[in-house]
Amino acid sequence: GEDVEQSLFLSVREGDSSVINCTYTDSSSTYLYWYKQEPGAGLQLLTYIFSNMDMKQDQRLTVLLNKKDKHLSLRIADTQTGDSAIYFCAESIWGLTGGGNKLTFGTGTQLKVEL
Amino acid sequence: EPEVTQTPSHQVTQMGQEVILRCVPISNHLYFYWYRQILGQKVEFLVSFYNNEISEKSEIFDDQFSVERPDGSNFTLKIRSTKLEDSAMYFCASRSGVTSTDTQYFGPGTRLTVL
Repeated sequence: GEDVEQSLFLSVREGDSSVINCTYTDSSSTYLYWYKQEPGAGLQLLTYIFSNMDMKQDQRLTVLLNKKDKHLSLRIADTQTGDSAIYFCAESIWGLTGGGNKLTFGTGTQLKVEL
Repeated sequence: EPEVTQTPSHQVTQMGQEVILRCVPISNHLYFYWYRQILGQKVEFLVSFYNNEISEKSEIFDDQFSVERPDGSNFTLKIRSTKLEDSAMYFCASRSGVTSTDTQYFGPGTRLTVL
């Protein structure tokens, strides 16, 4: 079955880069996502990558995918205090169940940005 | 920008009572989902819904749970007889289903507290 793991905490200084890592087990994953959850709020989609891609860049965000090692990372450049949140990676397998496309989430990484 | 909405934001109920959590997905979306997040734990898939029927459900989604799309806009999750362990944040999500690249958009969640 699907399983997605992340480290629980990451602390960085403002202005530094943050790298949040994720490993997954299901090699048939079609899409991999990064969601952000601020305290008391819902899940905000940050970015996603299709499994046939190695890298995707979107402004301050860079997603790297190593399909061989089933490893996904999210790099946030110039991290700001407003980036403090929990970051979830998630995987889905599109079309497996009539297009149901359920998401399997990781444990979440709490990012703390210090001044 | 269109968004998924959920009501209420917080629901407190007594054990054994029935609750209905409401969601208004993004207009014209075709796929609907419920997830839950017990405090401090992963976001877990509960059920996906398409074309007025359940397309996939998890082991958590037992006979106490049901979903319905009673009209063209609402999508509800009913828990027939709540248990203490049902206390969690419940997220609704929707996606358009037009292409394989479309993603799930999440609502802000309903915090359910069972006493």
